[in-house]
Amino acid sequence: DADVTQTPRNRITKTGKRIMLECSQTKGHDRMYWYRQDPGLGLRLIYYSFDVKDINKGEISDGYSVSRQAQAKFSLSLESAIPNQTALYFCATSDSTSGGKTQYFGPGTRLLVL
Amino acid sequence: AQSVTQLGSHVSVSEGALVLLRCNYSSSVPPYLFWYVQYPNQGLQLLLKYTTGATLVKGINGFEAEFKKSETSFHLTKPSAHMSDAAEYFCAVSEYGNKLVFGAGTILRVKS
Repeated sequence: DADVTQTPRNRITKTGKRIMLECSQTKGHDRMYWYRQDPGLGLRLIYYSFDVKDINKGEISDGYSVSRQAQAKFSLSLESAIPNQTALYFCATSDSTSGGKTQYFGPGTRLLVL
Repeated sequence: AQSVTQLGSHVSVSEGALVLLRCNYSSSVPPYLFWYVQYPNQGLQLLLKYTTGATLVKGINGFEAEFKKSETSFHLTKPSAHMSDAAEYFCAVSEYGNKLVFGAGTILRVKS
């Protein structure tokens, strides 16, 4: 079984709709991250959480919000989706007890906003 | 602020040839450096990392990278390319082992 899972894997939505992407992990890690990947731009950090009560904005947080429901769950929401939020979204985790250096990625969610 | 530059958005090599993917970084403190690989329609998989110690780091699938502080580089190499190496490769830098900053990625094509 995958250690980091993301649902849905693919999603098509319309401009203005609210959408939530979910991430769950069984690795027991305390730190979780959300990135978006765009061709030619690599991955950019949207939000990160070092524990359940600690949530921080990343490089490109505008238009997004997150919720850390439990240590194992970290959700990303687009309150009102727009076409330039079409991208591949990745969740990642890391473990602060081992220095938090290595991040482990989920399989990604491909989002298309029409 | 940290940043990563990957030279060459696309690299093409013949099967059996040397693979060299270039990565230069900037960091105000001693960096942690990573290479990740993304196969088509998959997530990112860690290839190798440099945190401290030996500057030549060996990873999975025969890849290795050398941290050169004087050149602020962390180039990825593999002596002999295989068709299965075709993928997109990302270099990333982290300060204090926290947030990662990624390069734009290099797509490796392997010709038969």
